[in-house]
Amino acid sequence: DVKVTQSSRYLVKRTGEKVFLECVQDMDHENMFWYRQDPGLGLRLIYFSYDVKMKEKGDIPEGYSVSREKKERFSLILESASTNQTSMYLCASIKQAVGAFFGQGTRLTVV
Amino acid sequence: LAKTTQPISMDSYEGQEVNITCSHNNIATNDYITWYQQFPSQGPRFIIQGYKTKVTNEVASLFIPADRKSSTLSLPRVSLSDTAVYYCLVGDGTGRRALTFGSGTRLQVQP
Repeated sequence: DVKVTQSSRYLVKRTGEKVFLECVQDMDHENMFWYRQDPGLGLRLIYFSYDVKMKEKGDIPEGYSVSREKKERFSLILESASTNQTSMYLCASIKQAVGAFFGQGTRLTVV
Repeated sequence: LAKTTQPISMDSYEGQEVNITCSHNNIATNDYITWYQQFPSQGPRFIIQGYKTKVTNEVASLFIPADRKSSTLSLPRVSLSDTAVYYCLVGDGTGRRALTFGSGTRLQVQP
């Protein structure tokens, strides 16, 4: 089975902190995605990557950056966390012509 | 990107068959259609994917007409545990284009 693992299930950070959300997949997939999900707004794409060191902006990249130094790891970085970044963050990896596999999600609270 | 349109919500009873239709009028020639299921506080889970005609697995069936401008997810004999949000996505399967989720269909199964 494909496994996509996010480093934390729950996280509480202070405003202004730099926050790292890590995602690791074990199936050698090339494509990885970061979403955030908020009530009433569905899943919104932040960034995605289709190769090591490659990244593309999604629909809401402002306030975020990403890093893909190794194929299996895709990190989301909040440079200076703000309260409006309190959300559920979901990482996914994609197998071509099969579909996306999601991690369990990280519920981030910024206080 | 092919935009998808689904009903916002549906209600059903245990044991009934549920059909959820998704419209994707500007689907591209090399696009696949993929359906996901999401429970509260979890990441979406892949259900089924197809390109044309009919696909069936142990969980669901996917019907795609010849023009591919719509698709129907069929859940046979639903149970209470099928209460979830169902998303229809259209993409080329490579992951090199943004994988964008619509608002999904909230299915409520009653006893």
